[in-house]
Amino acid sequence: DVQLTQSPSSLSASVGDTVTITCRASQNINNFLNWYQQKPGKAPKILIYGASSLQDGVPSRFSGSGYGTDFTLTISSLQPEDFASYYCQHTYTTFYTFGQGTKLEIK
Amino acid sequence: QVQLQQSGPGLVKPSQTLSLTCVISGDNVSSSSSAWNWVRQSPSRGLEWLGRTYHRSKWYTDYADIVKDRISVNPDTSKNQFSLQLISVTPEDTAVYFCARKITVSGKGVFDSWGQGILVTVSS
Repeated sequence: DVQLTQSPSSLSASVGDTVTITCRASQNINNFLNWYQQKPGKAPKILIYGASSLQDGVPSRFSGSGYGTDFTLTISSLQPEDFASYYCQHTYTTFYTFGQGTKLEIK
Repeated sequence: QVQLQQSGPGLVKPSQTLSLTCVISGDNVSSSSSAWNWVRQSPSRGLEWLGRTYHRSKWYTDYADIVKDRISVNPDTSKNQFSLQLISVTPEDTAVYFCARKITVSGKGVFDSWGQGILVTVSS
């Protein structure tokens, strides 16, 4: 099975900062990589699919890049509502797996 | 707009069966462009995909290796819903369980709609 390793596991930043989260796959997954945002007590919400495509309605300060095994999620000009947890997920094979998550906290 | 509404007990005894239901509105469980999934989340194991069902001229199911001997995901076309059954549960199965729809956008799978989540605790 494909394993996804996210880093860092936690991150402190301030409103207005730009942050980057990385996700590394244990094998080539082309660009079958999604990013989700999750707030406490809520379900995950899709942000980015296909490594770099922005889901409808998601602010353009969110962007994704990468191909093969290395991927990044970048959030520019952090807003208060962006402080949450972020997860990558692959859909390269049927047996979807998620990264272990990155918790983004206010500094 | 698709909505998924989950229901089921929040407490299950060890060795018994965990049963959850996900009612679909705004889509159809028999849709040829959707797949219906169960995902769980716990502090120790993170987000885990468990299984799915989907219809493409006939019904298909797929299950994660970690639960494949204990899980069943079934559609109910008369009620436009799908269900999860997990047998022989242990405290390790304690988690928040989500149902989710997967669609394909530009050739890529996307979990675009999720249920509200139900915390299921396995304890005597």
